[in-house]
Amino acid sequence: AQSVAQPEDQVNVAEGNPLTVKCTYSVSGNPYLFWYVQYPNRGLQFLLKYITGDNLVKGSYGFEAEFNKSQTSFHLKKPSALVSDSALYFCAVRDGASNDYKLSFGAGTTVTVRA
Amino acid sequence: GAVVSQHPSWVICKSGTSVKIECRSLDFQATTMFWYRQFPKQSLMLMATSNEGSKATYEQGVEKDKFLINHASLTLSTLTVTSAHPEDSSFYICSATNLIGYEQYFGPGTRLTVT
Repeated sequence: AQSVAQPEDQVNVAEGNPLTVKCTYSVSGNPYLFWYVQYPNRGLQFLLKYITGDNLVKGSYGFEAEFNKSQTSFHLKKPSALVSDSALYFCAVRDGASNDYKLSFGAGTTVTVRA
Repeated sequence: GAVVSQHPSWVICKSGTSVKIECRSLDFQATTMFWYRQFPKQSLMLMATSNEGSKATYEQGVEKDKFLINHASLTLSTLTVTSAHPEDSSFYICSATNLIGYEQYFGPGTRLTVT
């Protein structure tokens, strides 16, 4: 079984401030972790992933995430948020040992960056 | 690269009719495609997994006779909502993977409204 928790429904930050979106996961085997962003009435855009290797992963648009195995977390971060980062963010996990490639998504976190 | 398209982007149909949604991988061969349903401001719910040349695998609670999925080629999967009812109104999103990378690539989604 696999699951993702995003404990915050909403995150509000001022432009230029650091942005953090939290994610914790549960998976039986090796976690493959992903962050996606969704703008209104659009599909999901891939931001970054952790498969193996360095715990700090850098992705698109200046985002990064840190894999923490002991805390089973994969928080998304951006040092300086932009108004255009306002969107819905999803964390997802799948079991690397599974052959079905299914993703389990968190409930999503709405990020609002105010000017 | 890794572009997935959906057609139509939105559709309105009358109750009792059927509607077909296409999902295409434009620049890669998608051995596996996924169909999701998303309600407003909610997470994605996996409906089914579609593998080229074989029958789709439906998630528990998803009516396979109502949501017909066909994956006829490595670049095309279709979802047909049969005998649509207003409760089928939703945002339907497909994704595709080539099993070489690890992430799923998402289409822009299709907004279905059943009147």
